[in-house]
Amino acid sequence: QVQLVESGGGVVQPGRSLRLSCAASGFTFSNYGMHWVRQAPGKGLEWVAVISYDGDNKYYADSVKGRLTISRDNSKNTLYLQVNSLRTEDTAVYYCAKDQQLLLGGGEPPGDYWGQGTLVTVSS
Amino acid sequence: QSVLTQPPSASGTPGQRVTISCSGSSSNIGTNYVYWYQELPGTAPKLLIYRNNQRPSGVPDRFSGSKSGTSASLAISGLQSADEADYYCAAWDDSLNVVVFGGGTKLTVL
Repeated sequence: QVQLVESGGGVVQPGRSLRLSCAASGFTFSNYGMHWVRQAPGKGLEWVAVISYDGDNKYYADSVKGRLTISRDNSKNTLYLQVNSLRTEDTAVYYCAKDQQLLLGGGEPPGDYWGQGTLVTVSS
Repeated sequence: QSVLTQPPSASGTPGQRVTISCSGSSSNIGTNYVYWYQELPGTAPKLLIYRNNQRPSGVPDRFSGSKSGTSASLAISGLQSADEADYYCAAWDDSLNVVVFGGGTKLTVL
């Protein structure tokens, strides 16, 4: 069955960096675009970024552009999110999610499978 | 402030039909597919509707989606206490080249 497992979260000081990972299994990872979505405590869902199935296309929310980098390694079935210059407002649960349709990466919201999320807390 | 506008709350009694609206613009809902998600407390979001009105396998047909112009709706019939959750709409925005979410609607089953 499809599984997405995030890791890499934790408590980090402002200004530091962090790399989140999302290990995928149960589907052909290289055929699907992948998203990162975050949710700050008590707030709604905020889309962060998407990467196409082949890694060629990437799109970012304006609020994170320049500080966050989405990437993937199809040989390892793993999605990444590099977060630099962390701010207190980056405190959130970060979810990875796969596209619903094949061979996308941009153009539609996340689909039917989401990970359980990894909590990032930015605090001094 | 979210690009897609949802009512912050909705409510209904067991067995009732409720609808949740999602209003956008020509650059998002007007030209692209709408997705709907259910978020139960402490759990990851679950896809309820994709491509305006398609249900993933396993989602009961009590849940249905529709779209007209720059607005979309999620309807839940035969309301159950287990439906008490937060509901979000989302769509791609062609002007911003991003996914935009609604602010979420908290559904209470009275």
